[in-house]
Amino acid sequence: NAGVTQTPKFQVLKTGQSMTLQCAQDMNHNSMYWYRQDPGMGLRLIYYSASEGTTDKGEVPNGYNVSRLNKREFSLRLESAAPSQTSVYFCASRAGGRSYEQYFGPGTRLTVT
Amino acid sequence: AQKVTQAQTEISVVEKEDVTLDCVYETRDTTYYLFWYKQPPSGELVFLIRRNSFDEQNEISGRYSWNFQKSTSSFNFTITASQVVDSAVYFCALSEAVGTTDSWGKLQFGAGTQVVVTP
Repeated sequence: NAGVTQTPKFQVLKTGQSMTLQCAQDMNHNSMYWYRQDPGMGLRLIYYSASEGTTDKGEVPNGYNVSRLNKREFSLRLESAAPSQTSVYFCASRAGGRSYEQYFGPGTRLTVT
Repeated sequence: AQKVTQAQTEISVVEKEDVTLDCVYETRDTTYYLFWYKQPPSGELVFLIRRNSFDEQNEISGRYSWNFQKSTSSFNFTITASQVVDSAVYFCALSEAVGTTDSWGKLQFGAGTQVVVTP
């Protein structure tokens, strides 16, 4: 039981390049989330998927797109990376309904030069 | 709009001292959930505790204890007899219960408090 896994762990991009961050969970959770963590700002919600087939914007969605590929997988895409997107990205999942705890993946450290 | 404030940026203590982390929140909802997460130097986020807005009973779990006071909108966290392994960033977070239960769970995080425990 791996919990929440994310790939890659590290990535360096040049401005304008695109990439997809992958996230998968093996806990049969309904809800999945993408956050970014910047120094001194805590984590901020980018997008979330309350259940398979639905996605919604969070606090900072500009410059990102998401896909809930199936119940297990939730990917985050940067179409044209910008230096402001340099951050650590965390994926999380939650069982859903009245189960409130979110479980986080190990994070992806992204640098855009 | 909800908001979580952790006014302490960093707390440094010597091992075996107690550490109390402050968290103040703002929300217009009557039903909400408060969380503490720990982020050790390795970077992962570890869930510590969840409290419901309708349950103000404080809790002790080993060396950890929590003080939830709705009257002051505070949810403070204390580590008793700190150890070096407690060195980490601690985040307080808030989730409002709005809409369907499937849409609950969006977390609003505070900026975090760095705890440094030296031997």
